[in-house]
Amino acid sequence: DAGVIQSPRHEVTEMGQEVTLRCKPISGHNSLFWYRQTMMRGLELLIYFNNNVPIDDSGMPEDRFSAKMPNASFSTLKIQPSEPRDSAVYFCASTLGAVGENIQYFGAGTRLSVL
Amino acid sequence: GENVEQHPSTLSVQEGDSAVIKCTYSDSASNYFPWYKQELGKGPQLIIDIRSNVGEKKNQRIAVTLNKTAKHFSLHITETQPEDSAVYFCAARASQGNEKLTFGTGTRLTIIP
Repeated sequence: DAGVIQSPRHEVTEMGQEVTLRCKPISGHNSLFWYRQTMMRGLELLIYFNNNVPIDDSGMPEDRFSAKMPNASFSTLKIQPSEPRDSAVYFCASTLGAVGENIQYFGAGTRLSVL
Repeated sequence: GENVEQHPSTLSVQEGDSAVIKCTYSDSASNYFPWYKQELGKGPQLIIDIRSNVGEKKNQRIAVTLNKTAKHFSLHITETQPEDSAVYFCAARASQGNEKLTFGTGTRLTIIP
């Protein structure tokens, strides 16, 4: 398997623009997680889905952030409008989601720079 | 919610020596504790994990110990090698059925040749 695939790997945008990050989980995995990593705050969970349904979005910073999972093989994280403080590395991870199976497999991340 | 603290934030050891990273957690209901290694420019990768019904687990040069009473767990790397240089994260899962992991703040381990 190719693992979790994220695109783009790097994104540079200007403040106020819309940004869309994409993730393809490992085939057969039922749960998908979006994380944000910064030096100041470390690795923070933004939202996670199970069977395409959002389960916990308590980490989503504010209404400018939204996430969707229209099917089992694709998810997006959208920031609109973007701000410089959104600059971070965003990771997507997936897991089988079965009871007792908790290994989260991470993608390579998207490095976002908002100017 | 769960709170995970990790120490030290940076650690330098001579090649061949051992490295120990420690974490504490706050939620006594937590039952799953993974450790992840993150190399530069990559996503975190699981290196070892332990469940609350086990006190110690070993995988070659890597071992993890868990003290449920004290609510702390540790990562031990023996005979360190240059390729062990990376950032290491501990994490805790609050309860069965909840897949959310709370991560520690990370330890940057540098192996000095």
